[in-house]
Amino acid sequence: AQSVAQPEDQVNVAEGNPLTVKCTYSVSGNPYLFWYVQYPNRGLQFLLKYITGDNLVKGSYGFEAEFNKSQTSFHLKKPSALVSDSALYFCAVRDGTNAGKSTFGDGTTLTVKP
Amino acid sequence: DAGVIQSPRHEVTEMGQEVTLRCKPISGHNSLFWYRQTMMRGLELLIYFNNNVPIDDSGMPEDRFSAKMPNASFSTLKIQPSEPRDSAVYFCASSPGTENYGYTFGSGTRLTVV
Repeated sequence: AQSVAQPEDQVNVAEGNPLTVKCTYSVSGNPYLFWYVQYPNRGLQFLLKYITGDNLVKGSYGFEAEFNKSQTSFHLKKPSALVSDSALYFCAVRDGTNAGKSTFGDGTTLTVKP
Repeated sequence: DAGVIQSPRHEVTEMGQEVTLRCKPISGHNSLFWYRQTMMRGLELLIYFNNNVPIDDSGMPEDRFSAKMPNASFSTLKIQPSEPRDSAVYFCASSPGTENYGYTFGSGTRLTVV
């Protein structure tokens, strides 16, 4: 079975400060990890993914995420937050034994204050 | 590419009525997913298809819910009869169908059952 945990329901940061949204996962095989963002009244949008290779992956809108196998984590980061980054963020995991089916976390609401 | 297209965007219906939600996935995507999002339960996978075949419908809450995918470019999610607790935003997503790709979500259908 695969699972994802986003330990923080809410993350608040000031504009211009770095941000981190946390995610830990559990899978039986090699993890395929994803981050999505959801703006109000919209569907989820794909941000970035880790499949293999470099542990630091870069995605849309200046976001990046670091894969840490020993800690089974895939935290989302951005060096300098913008007010427009305020949204709901979902981490998702998929393993190779269940191709196509991702498990999503409960989501973390990011609020960036001016 | 128009993305994943869902219709209608909003649906208000009376309890007991039949509701049909529609989805057109991205051309060439082999996997299609139906999700439900509520404040209480977050994002729930209802059912997913691979090459038009239902693979996992364990998330379908009751026999009142049914989903079909008659061809690669169309899927429906039907609720009959509808109940107030079915009120939610229903998302359709599609994917190329391998582990390496994220999902593309539609804009969702906001269902209100009164």
